[in-house]
Amino acid sequence: DSGVTQTPKHLITATGQRVTLRCSPRSGDLSVYWYQQSLDQGLQFLIQYYNGEERAKGNILERFSAQQFPDLHSELNLSSLELGDSALYFCASSASGKSDTQYFGPGTRLTVL
Amino acid sequence: AQSVTQLGSHVSVSEGALVLLRCNYSSSVPPYLFWYVQYPNQGLQLLLKYTSAATLVKGINGFEAEFKKSETSFHLTKPSAHMSDAAEYFCAVSVGGMRFGAGTRLTVKP
Repeated sequence: DSGVTQTPKHLITATGQRVTLRCSPRSGDLSVYWYQQSLDQGLQFLIQYYNGEERAKGNILERFSAQQFPDLHSELNLSSLELGDSALYFCASSASGKSDTQYFGPGTRLTVL
Repeated sequence: AQSVTQLGSHVSVSEGALVLLRCNYSSSVPPYLFWYVQYPNQGLQLLLKYTSAATLVKGINGFEAEFKKSETSFHLTKPSAHMSDAAEYFCAVSVGGMRFGAGTRLTVKP
């Protein structure tokens, strides 16, 4: 158990819909990261938040957005969903910087029908 | 931009044999390198990380990796494979977010 929690575990929805994935970091960690894992794209970094502020952006689509709240939990919002958005979405947390280990949650499996 | 390349998408070894999973990095400055393992239907678990304190890094479950600047490599090894080592292994470099390699699926034959 990494200490990072993600809800829901599974999500099935239809094209064009919007969903919200939730992540609670390990106690004391200030950074939260979101990743997408799919068969064709592999593991891709989407976005990082540090103590409520956006710190780094990866391959995140404009239809996707995230935020980190004062209690440090984070939400990833995916809108206008397409079939290709079906993937595993992981959240990770770390103490702060680049050299820190990132601890991964169990993931949310999103299926878009 | 910093990146990692994993050589071999699939490696198969016999139980008790040496495990060698290859990773090369591209970086002009000392990178922060990691190896993670993913078991079926699970998240990623850290095996080990390179912090520049030592070139030979020991991790969990008997795995280790050696940082070789001259070869820009960070290969993962384990002297004797166990059936429980069957999983997907990812090399990664931290640039803020992690940039992962494509992964190597390790199969262990009895």
